[in-house]
This record gives sequence, structure tokens and C-alpha cells, in this order.
Amino acid sequence: EAQVTQNPRYLITVTGKKLTVTCSQNMNHEYMSWYRQDPGLGLRQIYYSMNVEVTDKGDVPEGYKVSRKEKRNFPLILESPSPNQTSLYFCASSLSGVSWNEQFFGPGTRLTVL
Amino acid sequence: GIQVEQSPPDLILQEGANSTLRCNFSDSVNNLQWFHQNPWGQLINLFYIPSGTKQNGRLSATTVATERYSLLYISSSQTTDSGVYFCAVVVGGAGSYQLTFGKGTKLSVIP
Repeated sequence: EAQVTQNPRYLITVTGKKLTVTCSQNMNHEYMSWYRQDPGLGLRQIYYSMNVEVTDKGDVPEGYKVSRKEKRNFPLILESPSPNQTSLYFCASSLSGVSWNEQFFGPGTRLTVL
Repeated sequence: GIQVEQSPPDLILQEGANSTLRCNFSDSVNNLQWFHQNPWGQLINLFYIPSGTKQNGRLSATTVATERYSLLYISSSQTTDSGVYFCAVVVGGAGSYQLTFGKGTKLSVIP
């Protein structure tokens, strides 16, 4: 089944403890991205990747890192999480990074930073 | 950056009623998608519609790119249609694209 998977789905952590949220897609998509969703603010793009080893900042990249070493994986790294990073996170992918295609979303990761 | 405005922000419908959701955007876009976020938080693709009209069952969408708006029609609404509807526009070019979301329309369909 074609899908975007994220792990973990739920995470409660403490300020300053490094964490990684994994994202994987099995559709051979070139474009992958991360979003956060907050009440009243909607979904905002954090980082995106046009292809392997090609990443760029979205609208709210501060406090996050990403890497794209393989086509199927696009992990989101929080080096020193803070409470303002408590949010619902979505990973997404689409076929091409050159021309826009329909974007598919993972199930979401609900992160709480205490 | 581009502004995406959705209206109305909230909508309550009796089951069986029809509705129209609107998405306005402030600049030219490469593409547009409509999503439904169900009460469990899952984002579901509805339409990928840079221009023209598409239909899928009780839902249809129209995008008029030259006038910078898109409409989502829901006919004969059902309680399972409840949730938040987002439009998202694609801006970019030369191999670099970003997706910008509106803040959504929260739809509640009551029996």
C-alpha cells in the first residue's frame, strides 16, 4: 500500500532532550516536507526537500533540522526541544520536485514538550 | 509571502444540506489542493485542482486561477463530512516549491 509513515505517533518529552521524528514513504517520491499544525495558525511548512541531499527552509525552520540521505526517508530533528515546539507534526511527499504534483500526508505526530 | 484566506471559518449544517466553501489567494499560484482533516487529525486529499472543475461523488471543486479563488461544494452533507477543510496553494518555480495553507473552514454536520 502506497503510504507515508511517521514515528512515533505520540511523544511526550522534556525541554532540551534531543529527539527525532522519522518519516518514510514507499512511493519513490522526490519531494518531501514537514509541517506543523497549531490552533489558530493552521499548517505551516518547516522544511522541504526537492530530492536526496537537497533541503531548504520553509516558513518556520527555527529550532529544527532535517536531512535527506535516502530518497524514502526525511527525518525531523529537534536538537533542543522547547515548549513552543509542542504541536502536531505532519510529513508529506509528492512525486516530483521539479514540477508540482499532488501531495500526500502522513498520519501525524503529536509532540508535547514539557 | 502569499496570503490564503478561507471562508467561512466555521459552518454548521443540518444533515442533507448543501454548502460552498471559498478559498481566496493573493497572488498567482502554480497549483492548489483541497484537504479534509477528519476529527482524528488525518489529512485526506480531496482535490488537486490548479484550474477548472472536478467532481468526486458529492464533492466538487472549481478553481478560477485568473481571479485567484477556488470553491469547494459539498452536496447532501453527511455527519462524516465533519472536520476541517483546508485549501493549500503552491508557489514557486525553477525547481523549488512551497505549499501554503489557509486556516481552514471547520464544518460540523448535525443529524
